[in-house]
Amino acid sequence: DAKTTQPTSMDCAEGRAANLPCNHSTISGNEYVYWYRQIHSQGPQYIIHGLKNNETNEMASLIITEDRKSSTLILPHATLRDTAVYYCIFYSGGYNKLIFGAGTRLAVHP
Amino acid sequence: GAGVSQSPRYKVAKRGQDVALRCDPISGHVSLFWYQQALGQGPEFLTYFQNEAQLDKSGLPSDRFFAERPEGSVSTLKIQRTQQEDSAVYLCASSFSSGGVYEQYFGPGTRLTVT
Repeated sequence: DAKTTQPTSMDCAEGRAANLPCNHSTISGNEYVYWYRQIHSQGPQYIIHGLKNNETNEMASLIITEDRKSSTLILPHATLRDTAVYYCIFYSGGYNKLIFGAGTRLAVHP
Repeated sequence: GAGVSQSPRYKVAKRGQDVALRCDPISGHVSLFWYQQALGQGPEFLTYFQNEAQLDKSGLPSDRFFAERPEGSVSTLKIQRTQQEDSAVYLCASSFSSGGVYEQYFGPGTRLTVT
């Protein structure tokens, strides 16, 4: 199964950028990197995905290295509501079965 | 619009009881997934439906677990003769299509506690 490596936990001050790294050295050329987050007592929420190019949407930016072995999710101005567990995933199987790891627990503090 | 809903949100069952967990996906979504999330862990895949067809049930932990989606919309996850190790949050997710790059929309989950 697909494997990613993420830090167990990170802290960020409110209003600052949160940069969450992910290693995915075994990713295949046609596999996308997805990021989801899970706020306490809620289901996971999709954030962003990418293949080779950097991506940006209203929630975050995704930077993927040229060799595709790692990526960084950037929350440009973290708020207290961004406190959550963040999962980096690359999908396995043609129908997007998600293989979650342990994720990174991000704590945003005032 | 309406998201994925699940019911009940909380369920307490005595060991040995049967339970049924319901998922209402987003209307028109072809794909439906069930995941199990133990305390402090990431969700783990259980099973996948494309419309009414169950195409992957490789994650179901035992033959006590059964899922169905008879009309290609609402799905039910049934657990027979519940055991304490079945205590977890059960998450349902739906996706617009079965191929391509489509995000999954998750429901709030059903927290099952087996006593």
